[in-house]
Amino acid sequence: AQSVSQHNHHVILSEAASLELGCNYSYGGTVNLFWYVQYPGQHLQLLLKYFSGDPLVKGIKGFEAEFIKSKFSFNLRKPSVQWSDTAEYFCAVKATDSWGKLQFGAGTQVVVTP
Amino acid sequence: EAGVVQSPRYKIIEKKQPVAFWCNPISGHNTLYWYRQNLGQGPELLIRYENEEAVDDSQLPKDRFSAERLKGVDSTLKIQPAELGDSAVYLCASSLRDREINEQFFGPGTRLTVL
Repeated sequence: AQSVSQHNHHVILSEAASLELGCNYSYGGTVNLFWYVQYPGQHLQLLLKYFSGDPLVKGIKGFEAEFIKSKFSFNLRKPSVQWSDTAEYFCAVKATDSWGKLQFGAGTQVVVTP
Repeated sequence: EAGVVQSPRYKIIEKKQPVAFWCNPISGHNTLYWYRQNLGQGPELLIRYENEEAVDDSQLPKDRFSAERLKGVDSTLKIQPAELGDSAVYLCASSLRDREINEQFFGPGTRLTVL
């Protein structure tokens, strides 16, 4: 069974700083990878996803993530954060074989200070 | 386009009481999911429906939890009786056919507190 590990539970940074959130998964087969975001008081929404092809994927609001297959990683990055990026970020993995379920990491709470 | 609708948004009950959550997915979405999210953790799948058929309920504690999706549209998740450890946020999500790896759209969730 696959599992997902997010490296940090809480991150605090200032506006304009760069952000990188780590995500590693354990699964030997082919996977689809996702980052979801939950802004305060709002529901989970998709930030970006990787299915195949270019391992560098771009999502909404200036976020990008890179899939490194050899490291089983899918780290999320943003070069310059804004206060509005304060949210909880979840990495999720889905095995492509048969009816693989979406497995979420524990989440990283990101607080951006003005 | 309306998103996934859930009700109630909050529920406080005493242990051993029953509770039910309702979900209306996005129109046209065949697949419906129920997740449970404990404090400080990511969502965990409880059950997945393809139309009206429960195709994955391996994580559903069947001694006290039940779910139904009559007519393949809206769905109800029930707990009877509730225990203290059931306090969590219960999320509903929907997507087009799961086999085709479609994006899951989440509802706002129901925050359950069991006293």
